[in-house]
Amino acid sequence: QTVVAQEPSFSVSPGETVTLTCALTSGSVTTNNFPSWYQQTPGQAPRTLIYSTNTRSSGVPDRFSGSILGNKAALTITGAQADDESDYYCILYMGGGSRLFGGGTKLTVL
Amino acid sequence: VQLLESGGGLVQPGGSLTVSCAASGFTFSAYAMSWVRQAPGKGLEWVSAINPNGIGTFFADSVKGRFTIFRDNSKNTLYLQMISLRAEDTAVYYCAKHVTTGNFDYWGHGTLVTVSS
Repeated sequence: QTVVAQEPSFSVSPGETVTLTCALTSGSVTTNNFPSWYQQTPGQAPRTLIYSTNTRSSGVPDRFSGSILGNKAALTITGAQADDESDYYCILYMGGGSRLFGGGTKLTVL
Repeated sequence: VQLLESGGGLVQPGGSLTVSCAASGFTFSAYAMSWVRQAPGKGLEWVSAINPNGIGTFFADSVKGRFTIFRDNSKNTLYLQMISLRAEDTAVYYCAKHVTTGNFDYWGHGTLVTVSS
């Protein structure tokens, strides 16, 4: 059974750049998976950051960017800020109308 | 864009519940929609999707055969009908608007469904 894998946790210092990844346990992530990224803080609904690999959602700062790196989808935060401390989820379109979320990455900024 | 879920609550195991999502601020009938849930302290789980015209529906294996997704484009409302509910269905249920191709761009604030005796 295919699983979408994300780093469970990541730490970054303020001002640094961090790249979170989203991989398939079986196969490569491509643009045909329409990888999307969501940010969620405790008690809040998810917020869309990136959809369709690299399209920034309305109002999202340009320090958030999406790409394909090798065989994974990637979310890069350039110049991390304290309020970027959140959970980050990716989702992949798996075909036939089905989608899979990754388990999420808990990002700490300290 | 606004998505407002309602209809959550406490239901006994084996029971049924239908949650709704009222949409506004966009042409509802032009976009696919999904339901996504999040169990307490857990990650996001895609549950179900429906095409703009309501004819194509898709489900996660965990809910297939127990959940039905449908929409009323005249009322700009999305629904999720849940039967044979289990404790593991306890979650906040979010509706989400799809982009033209791919996944979601807008989310509601969610409605909590608790399955417990």
